[in-house]
Amino acid sequence: EVYLVDSGGGVRPPGGSMRLSCAGSGFTFSSYGMNWVRQAPGKGLEWISYISGTSHTIDYADSVKGRFTISRDNARNSLYLQMTSLKVEDTAVYYCARVSVGSRALDYWGQGILVTVAS
Amino acid sequence: SYVLTQPPSVSVAPGKTARISCGGNNIGDNGVHWYQQKPGQAPVLVISYDSDRPLGIPERFSGSNSGNTATLTINRVEAGDEADYYCQVWHTSGDHWVFGGGTKLTVL
Repeated sequence: EVYLVDSGGGVRPPGGSMRLSCAGSGFTFSSYGMNWVRQAPGKGLEWISYISGTSHTIDYADSVKGRFTISRDNARNSLYLQMTSLKVEDTAVYYCARVSVGSRALDYWGQGILVTVAS
Repeated sequence: SYVLTQPPSVSVAPGKTARISCGGNNIGDNGVHWYQQKPGQAPVLVISYDSDRPLGIPERFSGSNSGNTATLTINRVEAGDEADYYCQVWHTSGDHWVFGGGTKLTVL
């Protein structure tokens, strides 16, 4: 069975940094692109970053471009999101999600991890 | 950037049919995916590529997509279907994975 487990959240001040991790199991991790999606409190879903299985293709939403860096370690079946220059509006639950081959649907999601940016 | 528009809320009585719309410019040219999110939980894919049901999703869930509107249909609605529903497409420009604003389904 496919599992994605998010970790690394917490509280940071504005301007701070944080690294999120997502551990995958139950599938061939390197064969799938992965996304980070976030959800601010009481709000909808917002896509923020994508990385292909080989890390050859990386993309970011305009809202985080230049501040966040997505990466992966296929040997460790792990996905990462390095967040810098954090803003109050980055406060959200962050989910990693697997990209279904072909359809680009997000077919499996992590449980989500809360990131709070506050002074 | 590409925008998907959903009604904020839909209400339906148990046993009836719920229809949730997702509007976008020529959305019929894109594959639309639908997610169900219950409070405190991660989203779950319920419809892929307009009308495909992932394993484990009841046949009561179906989808269609044409022109400027995609629709998620839930037949014989149950109390357990109460949740937020999001449509999503992959767009070639701008932010690639685009979500609608979400629709709260209330079972009366």
